[in-house]
Amino acid sequence: DAMVIQNPRYQVTQFGKPVTLSCSQTLNHNVMYWYQQKSSQAPKLLFHYYDKDFNNEADTPDNFQSRRPNTSFCFLDIRSPGLGDAAMYLCATSRERAYQPQHFGDGTRLSIL
Amino acid sequence: GDSVTQMEGPVTLSEEAFLTINCTYTATGYPSLFWYVQYPGEGLQLLLKATKADDKGSNKGFEATYRKETTSFHLEKGSVQVSDSAVYFCALSEVSGAGSYQLTFGKGTKLSVIP
Repeated sequence: DAMVIQNPRYQVTQFGKPVTLSCSQTLNHNVMYWYQQKSSQAPKLLFHYYDKDFNNEADTPDNFQSRRPNTSFCFLDIRSPGLGDAAMYLCATSRERAYQPQHFGDGTRLSIL
Repeated sequence: GDSVTQMEGPVTLSEEAFLTINCTYTATGYPSLFWYVQYPGEGLQLLLKATKADDKGSNKGFEATYRKETTSFHLEKGSVQVSDSAVYFCALSEVSGAGSYQLTFGKGTKLSVIP
């Protein structure tokens, strides 16, 4: 089945130690999104790629970066994780940017020690 | 800006009870509307959608009708099951003038169904 796959499902890192989360998709969608979801809250969009065009949300901290080396893969890099960055990180895709339901992966739960 | 307001949870129902989760929105244009469901420890799954006024989205016994006059998209199910226990998010998608494309989510409503 075509799907959005996130690895790993659970990630533990140390305060200040860079960490990378990965997402792959077999849907061949143009758009890939990264969301941060803290406990009992709605997902918050960090940024998205439309093809190779990177779009950062205005309030996304500089600590968060992303790479999309090809259509299928997208990475979320957190350069110096703080305790406040502990959350579920969700990757999603859509064929186009608007008027399309987004297809979500199961998420990576990030813990900071 | 766009916003979505949904009823506060948690909601606890007995199996086979009727479910309504209210959702209202504000938007400048003509948004598409969605309900997503999130089971414990998982990502979001699209439950149903509606793209224009008076459209009814339906899936797995859940229904919601896009009401432009009341700016609402309430989720309903006639008979809930224990397996429906999850968090439900109402969301809208609209192209903004600034060229920003994103889903705007409500805060989510946690549903627990007891046998």
